[in-house]
Amino acid sequence: GEDVEQSLFLSVREGDSSVINCTYTDSSSTYLYWYKQEPGAGLQLLTYIFSNMDMKQDQRLTVLLNKKDKHLSLRIADTQTGDSAIYFCAESTQAGTALIFGKGTTLSVSS
Amino acid sequence: KAGVTQTPRYLIKTRGQQVTLSCSPISGHRSVSWYQQTPGQGLQFLFEYFSETQRNKGNFPGRFSGRQFSNSRSEMNVSTLELGDSALYLCASSLAGREKDGYTFGSGTRLTVV
Repeated sequence: GEDVEQSLFLSVREGDSSVINCTYTDSSSTYLYWYKQEPGAGLQLLTYIFSNMDMKQDQRLTVLLNKKDKHLSLRIADTQTGDSAIYFCAESTQAGTALIFGKGTTLSVSS
Repeated sequence: KAGVTQTPRYLIKTRGQQVTLSCSPISGHRSVSWYQQTPGQGLQFLFEYFSETQRNKGNFPGRFSGRQFSNSRSEMNVSTLELGDSALYLCASSLAGREKDGYTFGSGTRLTVV
């Protein structure tokens, strides 16, 4: 069945780059998403990538997609303490009406 | 424009009771999805409604149900609450629930069952 996997924790220093990785199983997913969740809050859509793209850049965020390996990554340049949060990778289901989420990667940024 | 509004923000219920949560989507959005978030299971899809019809359902028992009204507002109901139903329930609003529309989440309702 469909499944999305992420590493659980990442710790970086302020100013460094962060790379959060994700693998997914549904090769028919057309869109892949990255969401951010801060403590006590809902999910904020950070960016998404269409499956026929290899890379998408949006200010400090770069998404890389390797469709052959079903691997997705999110790079945050010049990571700030305000970037500390849980980051979720998600793929859409074949029906397109639901998202399958990974368990989330907790990013901790130290100054 | 207003975002996705979920009410109430916090709720404490006793085992065996039932609960109703509400979600008002972004104006003009016709698709509403519900997700359960727990530390153990993560984010799991409950169901999705579009134009008052349930289009997709996750793998949850029949105690979990929902509905959508003509103004696109949605409610979900959990009957005979169990301790394991304690979770953050998130609602997502989408123009039509198509992948390219994207999904905007509310802040959630945190349900505690005691």
